[in-house]
Amino acid sequence: KNEVEQSPQNLTAQEGEFITINCSYSVGISALHWLQQHPGGGIVSLFMLSSGKKKHGRLIATINIQEKHSSLHITASHPRDSAVYICAASNSGYALNFGKGTSLLVTP
Amino acid sequence: DVKVTQSSRYLVKRTGEKVFLECVQDMDHENMFWYRQDPGLGLRLIYFSYDVKMKEKGDIPEGYSVSREKKERFSLILESASTNQTSMYLCASSPPDLGGNSPLHFGNGTRLTVT
Repeated sequence: KNEVEQSPQNLTAQEGEFITINCSYSVGISALHWLQQHPGGGIVSLFMLSSGKKKHGRLIATINIQEKHSSLHITASHPRDSAVYICAASNSGYALNFGKGTSLLVTP
Repeated sequence: DVKVTQSSRYLVKRTGEKVFLECVQDMDHENMFWYRQDPGLGLRLIYFSYDVKMKEKGDIPEGYSVSREKKERFSLILESASTNQTSMYLCASSPPDLGGNSPLHFGNGTRLTVT
């Protein structure tokens, strides 16, 4: 089983700050997912990546396969970015191994 | 847009009751999943299904069963609800290639309380 660790567990930032959330995993993977969960429960897939870097608006996800590490960056953070961010690793089969999530609060 | 619909947002049941959680997706996805989410433990897989009438146990199947009679519908059944099954339950679906290499689409979750 792939152990997926996220850091930090909780993060508070002021509006406008640059934010980084880290994810490390123990076993080689085929893809790394970043998910966002707002209060109320619904989860949205942000990124799925197997190498390099992806960008959507103010969000950037990077992965270093050799170091078994991925980061999610948020530039110019905004209170609406407040959510739980979850990374998940897939190696084989149908299921993902999830990190426990990073709870982000962006204050005005 | 893919829509995954869970039948209830909030549910309160008594210990010993049989509980059905329903999930429907509208994108003809082969793969469907049931997870539970608890504080400090993250998302844990209960069961998944890769085709009609096919099911596989996840990490925590004890106390649960599932049914997939139609492609679009995946039901989670608590045969005899217990208080330790109080949790947030999330259904997800994905396209037919290996679920881990396709984005998962989640429902809004059902918060179940067993008293």
